[in-house]
Amino acid sequence: DTGVSQNPRHKITKRGQNVTFRCDPISEHNRLYWYRQTLGQGPEFLTYFQNEAQLEKSRLLSDRFSAERPKGSFSTLEIQRTEQGDSAMYLCASSSGGGFQETQYFGPGTRLLVL
Amino acid sequence: AQKITQTQPGMFVQEKEAVTLDCTYDTSDPSYGLFWYKQPSSGEMIFLIYQGSYDQQNATEGRYSLNFQKARKSANLVISASQLGDSAMYFCAMREGPGTGKLIFGQGTTLQVKP
Repeated sequence: DTGVSQNPRHKITKRGQNVTFRCDPISEHNRLYWYRQTLGQGPEFLTYFQNEAQLEKSRLLSDRFSAERPKGSFSTLEIQRTEQGDSAMYLCASSSGGGFQETQYFGPGTRLLVL
Repeated sequence: AQKITQTQPGMFVQEKEAVTLDCTYDTSDPSYGLFWYKQPSSGEMIFLIYQGSYDQQNATEGRYSLNFQKARKSANLVISASQLGDSAMYFCAMREGPGTGKLIFGQGTTLQVKP
């Protein structure tokens, strides 16, 4: 069973450009999560999907951010008109089922640097 | 208000000794789950251990155990027989209520194991 994969692992972009990240969850996991982690902080929830449906979005997810999971498998996170404050690690996680014991398994993350 | 508090920014432990990483949480929901993750310098979050609010016994997973004190709202991680490879950032996280999948993370504790 391969783990969660994320691409690219690193991204450097100039302010104002658009970027897109991809996450491939563990196969057959129906839930997929996006988090953002800035230096020295814990991850902060952005959004999550159950199959194709986006069930919850954080207020951190401004209208410059959009996430999709079109076929209930991989997901993309797009940031439009990037700002320097968007520089962070973007983590993806996946899980199966629900309930309190549901364990999220994380990918290696995408490090974004906005110049 | 902080939902998850980790008061130890950094900890040192001698190899082969035990160490306790503190975590307190705040919730009014009687149903919740508590998680610990390890994040090495590579960035990937690794699931370590889970404790449910209704679990009668403290969770254990190999060298990891969770000292769950519900009345005090604390869920401390105990690592026994520390190894050099345990040097990493450790995060406590909580899922509260039945309706959400998101995890709320603390700020983390950096653990360094000395040879």
